[in-house]
Amino acid sequence: RKEVEQDPGPFNVPEGATVAFNCTYSNSASQSFFWYRQDCRKEPKLLMSVYSSGNEDGRFTAQLNRASQYISLLIRDSKLSDSATYLCVVNQMDSNYQLIWGAGTKLIIKP
Amino acid sequence: DAGVTQSPTHLIKTRGQQVTLRCSPKSGHDTVSWYQQALGQGPQFIFQYYEEEERQRGNFPDRFSGHQFPNYSSELNVNALLLGDSALYLCASSLAETGEETQYFGPGTRLLVL
Repeated sequence: RKEVEQDPGPFNVPEGATVAFNCTYSNSASQSFFWYRQDCRKEPKLLMSVYSSGNEDGRFTAQLNRASQYISLLIRDSKLSDSATYLCVVNQMDSNYQLIWGAGTKLIIKP
Repeated sequence: DAGVTQSPTHLIKTRGQQVTLRCSPKSGHDTVSWYQQALGQGPQFIFQYYEEEERQRGNFPDRFSGHQFPNYSSELNVNALLLGDSALYLCASSLAETGEETQYFGPGTRLLVL
C-alpha cells in the first residue's frame, strides 16, 4: 500500500461545478497535512494546510479525518483557472523534515 | 524579494555521466530540500540540508549527494546517471524554525538522460 494515495484522474468537470478530491494516508502518527497545486510544467505551490478542525479559504475547503486517515479538498464554483494537478502531502512519522507526496489528481475544468 | 532559483532549467546528459544542479533559497531561508519528480508522479524526497549538513535523507542511492554552502545555497550531484534518473528536480527552501509549512519551491531543473 502506498503511503499516500489519491483518486486517480483526470477529473473532467464543467465550469461552476463542485469537485472533491480524496486522499488517504497509511501512517496514523502523521501530524501535518497539506494540499499543493501544480500547474503543467511548473513547480508545486502550497494551496492549503489541513487542520484537524477543517479549514476554508474562499472556494476551497479542506478536511481531515484522523480516525479514517483521510483528507479531502472541496472546490466550489470551479473556474477554468482551477485546472491543475492537486497533490496531497503528509509529513513522515519519524521526521518533521520529510514530506510524503501523493501522485496527484489532475483536474480539467471545461467551459 | 527573490524567490527560489534553480539552474540550469534544462539539461541533457548521457548514461554514466555526472550532473550538478544548483539552488538558491528564498531570501531569509536557511534550509534546502531536494525532490525528484518523475512524469505523472508526486515529488519524492531526496534529502534536506541545514547548517551545511544533510539532516534527513529519503530512499535514494549514494549516487545522489549534495552540499550546502555558507550562503545557504545548495547543490545536488548525481553520479553514474541512469535512464531512470530522467525527471524534474525540485528544490524547496524553508526556514528551520517554522518547518515544512513554509516550504517554497523553485521552478525545477528538467533532466533528460539518454
